[in-house]
Amino acid sequence: QQPVQSPQAVILREGEDAVINCSSSKALYSVHWYRQKHGEAPVFLMILLKGGEQMRHEKISASFNEKKQQSSLYLTASQLSYSGTYFCGTEGDAGGTSYGKLTFGQGTILTVHP
Amino acid sequence: GAGVSQSPSNKVTEKGKDVELRCDPISGHTALYWYRQSLGQGLEFLIYFQGNSAPDKSGLPSDRFSAERTGGSVSTLTIQRTQQEDSAVYLCASSLVVIRPEAFFGQGTRLTVV
Repeated sequence: QQPVQSPQAVILREGEDAVINCSSSKALYSVHWYRQKHGEAPVFLMILLKGGEQMRHEKISASFNEKKQQSSLYLTASQLSYSGTYFCGTEGDAGGTSYGKLTFGQGTILTVHP
Repeated sequence: GAGVSQSPSNKVTEKGKDVELRCDPISGHTALYWYRQSLGQGLEFLIYFQGNSAPDKSGLPSDRFSAERTGGSVSTLTIQRTQQEDSAVYLCASSLVVIRPEAFFGQGTRLTVV
């Protein structure tokens, strides 16, 4: 089952903050975050594992609430280079049929203006 | 190789023809994934391989789609009797082990069925 991302789109001015959420209806083992710029392949940002710690990539951090099966991506002091589509990918818990299978959400389009 | 390589980068085919898309994963990566991305849409899971076996084929849209992987390396995605709705960018990704630490994506094959 595909995770649900919100919002679908965000428009920011440089220096502003944003939060992108990712929710799943099933027990998760891991959540992955990728960013895709127009015409390019998705690029890995970070992975959050069940029982693991909050992760950080430059000024981007993420958390994983195992009880709620939710992850949030926090973009702080956004830069123009942050523009792109952000995808969360989820992996089901061990023993489940989706363990080892990475299913992506529909994406959140982030646009940062000067 | 240095990265995931996909070929061809672009393919235009007539409706009803068969096409083969190729993916060369990063050397040593045991896991390989195929995704489809329609214009402005998210990443649709198609199939993944652990070595040469495919534990989950549930994402293949129809029996016109098939994929194989040989020698734990190169994979081909075959679409028979192509339809216009098959037009999309087909992305391949590989990872050292299933899912973790991260998946590296190729640039994709843009398939256009006319």
